[in-house]
Amino acid sequence: DTEVTQTPKHLVMGMTNKKSLKCEQHMGHRAMYWYKQKAKKPPELMFVYSYEKLSINESVPSRFSPECPNSSLLNLHLHALQPEDSALYLCASSRVPGAEAFFGQGTRLTVV
Amino acid sequence: AQSVSQHNHHVILSEAASLELGCNYSYGGTVNLFWYVQYPGQHLQLLLKYFSGDPLVKGIKGFEAEFIKSKFSFNLRKPSVQWSDTAEYFCAVNAGDTGRRALTFGSGTRLQVQP
Repeated sequence: DTEVTQTPKHLVMGMTNKKSLKCEQHMGHRAMYWYKQKAKKPPELMFVYSYEKLSINESVPSRFSPECPNSSLLNLHLHALQPEDSALYLCASSRVPGAEAFFGQGTRLTVV
Repeated sequence: AQSVSQHNHHVILSEAASLELGCNYSYGGTVNLFWYVQYPGQHLQLLLKYFSGDPLVKGIKGFEAEFIKSKFSFNLRKPSVQWSDTAEYFCAVNAGDTGRRALTFGSGTRLQVQP
């Protein structure tokens, strides 16, 4: 199994909603990542979890809250988002920090 | 901090033409270098990687890249492109030592191959 699975694939939410994005991998990888990708732009790093501990937070607004319940799962909790937060949210994992990353298909988020 | 530059933003080629996409990085320490491809509607896929050793690395689908340390470059090449190579190509770098161990991406190159 070399897949990173993200759910949901699409999400539309209002600015007052609370929702969560989920990411799962069963490759035994110990580093997991959240990236944000706007149209026609490269992925931008948001958070890194290394051995289930948050190791990098790229000054992301607190309306985005990551969580790593165990080594296979990564969540991104969303609250009070703005329309400019609409983007493709990508999850990735790597065997260890710095190794090649495997990406999921992403969740396309629209904030209305 | 590490950064990556891709100077070709949009490349249009005919099938069977040769391809070279430029990538330059900025980081003072050891780096790991990657090329990823994003086909329309699909997830990012690793084309090839360089960690150490032979600076000429071969990847999937006939792609190769050469690491030139003195030029801080990691250019992607393919001798003969196909229509199916139409995609967005991203160069990426992470620190190979104790620095930031997460990928920083270049701005991407959109490759359009005409039949």
